[in-house]
Amino acid sequence: DAGVIQSPRHEVTEMGQEVTLRCKPISGHDYLFWYRQTMMRGLELLIYFNNNVPIDDSGMPEDRFSAKMPNASFSTLKIQPSEPRDSAVYFCASSDKPGLNEKLFFGSGTQLSVL
Amino acid sequence: GESVGLHLPTLSVQEGDNSIINCAYSNSASDYFIWYKQESGKGPQFIIDIRSNMDKRQGQRVTVLLNKTVKHLSLQIAATQPGDSAVYFCAEKAAGNKLTFGGGTRVLVKP
Repeated sequence: DAGVIQSPRHEVTEMGQEVTLRCKPISGHDYLFWYRQTMMRGLELLIYFNNNVPIDDSGMPEDRFSAKMPNASFSTLKIQPSEPRDSAVYFCASSDKPGLNEKLFFGSGTQLSVL
Repeated sequence: GESVGLHLPTLSVQEGDNSIINCAYSNSASDYFIWYKQESGKGPQFIIDIRSNMDKRQGQRVTVLLNKTVKHLSLQIAATQPGDSAVYFCAEKAAGNKLTFGGGTRVLVKP
């Protein structure tokens, strides 16, 4: 298995532009998570999905952020419009059913820089 | 192992020595705990996990200890190697399926 695949690896954009981050979870995993990592705040959960349905989006910073999971093998995190304070590493992770295998498998992340 | 903003707690260890990384968790209802290792430029990588009905679990060169009385978790790495240099995060899970991560501890292995 290739693991969780994220793209792009790096994204540099200008303030006000739309940014779309992509994620392919591990096949067969029912849960998908989006995390943001910064030096000041560490790893923060933004949103997670179960069977393609958003379950908890309480960590999404504001309306500029949105996430979708149109099918079991693909998810996007969109920021529109982007701001410099959105600069961070964004991780996608997936896991199996709770009680069976709860550990999260993380992708390599997308390093986002908003100028 | 709590974050203090820009300054991660750092543990310097001589190669071959044992390392102990500590973590205080916040939620007494948490029933699952996990340690991750993050190397520079990579995503967090699973090391070991433990459920609240256990107080110790061993893996390959690693041991996790859980003290629910004082809400404390520790990771012990035996015979620390240069490849163990990384940032280590503990995480806890209570109701639902949300993992809450601690701030991380940086481990530097000296040759």
